[in-house]
Amino acid sequence: DTEVTQTPKHLVMGMTNKKSLKCEQHMGHRAMYWYKQKAKKPPELMFVYSYEKLSINESVPSRFSPECPNSSLLNLHLHALQPEDSALYLCASSPQPGQGGNSPLHFGNGTRLTVT
Amino acid sequence: AQSVTQPDIHITVSEGASLELRCNYSYGATPYLFWYVQSPGQGLQLLLKYFSGDTLVQGIKGFEAEFKRSQSSFNLRKPSVHWSDAAEYFCAGAYSGGGADGLTFGKGTHLIIQP
Repeated sequence: DTEVTQTPKHLVMGMTNKKSLKCEQHMGHRAMYWYKQKAKKPPELMFVYSYEKLSINESVPSRFSPECPNSSLLNLHLHALQPEDSALYLCASSPQPGQGGNSPLHFGNGTRLTVT
Repeated sequence: AQSVTQPDIHITVSEGASLELRCNYSYGATPYLFWYVQSPGQGLQLLLKYFSGDTLVQGIKGFEAEFKRSQSSFNLRKPSVHWSDAAEYFCAGAYSGGGADGLTFGKGTHLIIQP
């Protein structure tokens, strides 16, 4: 069982839809992350939130919009996606930002997104 | 630039046999190193991590890894694999002074277990 919970597990959306992915952790972690993972590839970092503030945006297109309402929740708002955005979207958290390996990532099970 | 290399894309091992998955790193200083496992349709689970000190690190599920500075390697081992070990394995590294946002993943090794 994972301590980082992601919903929904699966999502199919059209290119004109607006949807949101949700992530929740109750471990008191102060850093939260969104990763994108294509099939047979390692995860790619998208966004990092440190103490509820966006600290890293890895040149992600604006059709992906992250939000961190509080220290336990992380959302990823999706709008006007393209079929190539279909992937597994992983949320992760770590106890403290900026602590390197002292603060390893805890991953959720991901949301499998299909854009039609 | 820092990098983590997993030279084997696929590894096939018979159930009960020993396993070694290779990982090489390229960092200016000793990095923090990790091994993660990903089962189909799941997130990544941390198997073990190396920060400093003892170069032989014990992890969960009977895995261990050995840090060898002279070879820039951090290979993952298990003495006897089980069918449930079939999964994708990722080696990852981070600068000792940087955040987890600086984590660099290898491309992964797909482990197949033969009965």
